[in-house]
Amino acid sequence: DAGVIQSPRHEVTEMGQEVTLRCKPISGHDYLFWYRQTMMRGLELLIYFNNNVPIDDSGMPEDRFSAKMPNASFSTLKIQPSEPRDSAVYFCASSPYVGAGSGYGYTFGSGTRLTVV
Amino acid sequence: AQTVTQSQPEMSVQEAETVTLSCTYDTSESNYYLFWYKQPPSRQMILVIRQEAYKQQNATENRFSVNFQKAAKSFSLKISDSQLGDTAMYFCAFMNDQGAQKLVFGQGTRLTINP
Repeated sequence: DAGVIQSPRHEVTEMGQEVTLRCKPISGHDYLFWYRQTMMRGLELLIYFNNNVPIDDSGMPEDRFSAKMPNASFSTLKIQPSEPRDSAVYFCASSPYVGAGSGYGYTFGSGTRLTVV
Repeated sequence: AQTVTQSQPEMSVQEAETVTLSCTYDTSESNYYLFWYKQPPSRQMILVIRQEAYKQQNATENRFSVNFQKAAKSFSLKISDSQLGDTAMYFCAFMNDQGAQKLVFGQGTRLTINP
């Protein structure tokens, strides 16, 4: 199993540009999560999906952020337009089951470090 | 809402020593899960250990063990015989057993193992 795969590993973009981050979860995992990590705010959950359907996007900071999961093996997080304050590490994670009695914890990808200049 | 607090921003010990990282949490739930994740300089988030709240026995994984005090809402991580490769950020995390089961993280403790 290759684990959760994220791309790109690093992204540098200019303010105002569109940025797309990509994630491939572990096969068979029903849940996919997007987190953002910053020094000031730590690890924040942005959105999560169950069976490709967005369940909770209350952590998405504003309308400039959007996430999709067109199939079980692929998800994107898009920022348009990007701003310097979006600079952070963005993690994707997946989990096989999220329900009473499970509590597996997540498997994280290696993250994308986004720098907006 | 659940909160997780790690009161030690940074810690430093000598190789082979034992170190304990502190974590407290706040919840009104009775069933939940607690985790410690390690984030080395490579940035990868690695699950170190997991504890189920309804189990009284403290979890152990080789050199890593926890001291789970449910009444005190405390969940500390002990690393025995520390190694240079243990140098990393360590995050305590909480997950409900019901509902959305989102992982809520503490702010982290930066642990440095010195040779």
